[in-house]
Amino acid sequence: KQEVTQIPAALSVPEGENLVLNCSFTDSAIYNLQWFRQDPGKGLTSLLLIQSSQREQTSGRLNASLDKSSGRSTLYIAASQPGDSATYLCAVGTNTGNQFYFGTGTSLTVIP
Amino acid sequence: DTAVSQTPKYLVTQMGNDKSIKCEQNLGHDTMYWYKQDSKKFLKIMFSYNNKELIINETVPNRFSPKSPDKAHLNLHINSLELGDSAVYFCASSQETGWSPLHFGNGTRLTVT
Repeated sequence: KQEVTQIPAALSVPEGENLVLNCSFTDSAIYNLQWFRQDPGKGLTSLLLIQSSQREQTSGRLNASLDKSSGRSTLYIAASQPGDSATYLCAVGTNTGNQFYFGTGTSLTVIP
Repeated sequence: DTAVSQTPKYLVTQMGNDKSIKCEQNLGHDTMYWYKQDSKKFLKIMFSYNNKELIINETVPNRFSPKSPDKAHLNLHINSLELGDSAVYFCASSQETGWSPLHFGNGTRLTVT
């Protein structure tokens, strides 16, 4: 069964810093990997989706990379802003069980 | 607006009651899901339906019964509610299972007293 882990569980940085969030998974037979953000009391908003054949995706200040062989993905946030404060979750899409497996999340606080 | 919408947003009820949560998506997706998010924010899948047919049923008590009248709707009915059922329940949809982006509703916070 796929297990997804995110490190660190919580991160606090001053505004303007670049930062990296990590996601690791145990089974490399994935179809895609998706990064979400969740604001308190809200649903999940999709940030980036990387297909298994891709190595990275970019959207604005966000860049997500995927290394299937090592079972890892990173989400890079450039020039962090207080509005980036949220919980970030990664989810691995797999045909085994036909579902997405979620990580445990990283709670990010960007200090003004 | 195209979206996944679920109602109600908040649900407070007593132990032993029966309640339902409704979910609708107008994205034209084939697959819909119910996820449970516990107090530690961990998201775990409960059910998945593809074109009105159940394809995933994780280890969930029989008190939870999903119903999909059509592929745009997936409702969740819960019988004999227990304290441990308190959580946030999220509905989601995707075009195809396993390799398409997930789109989430805003969640239903269920509190059982």
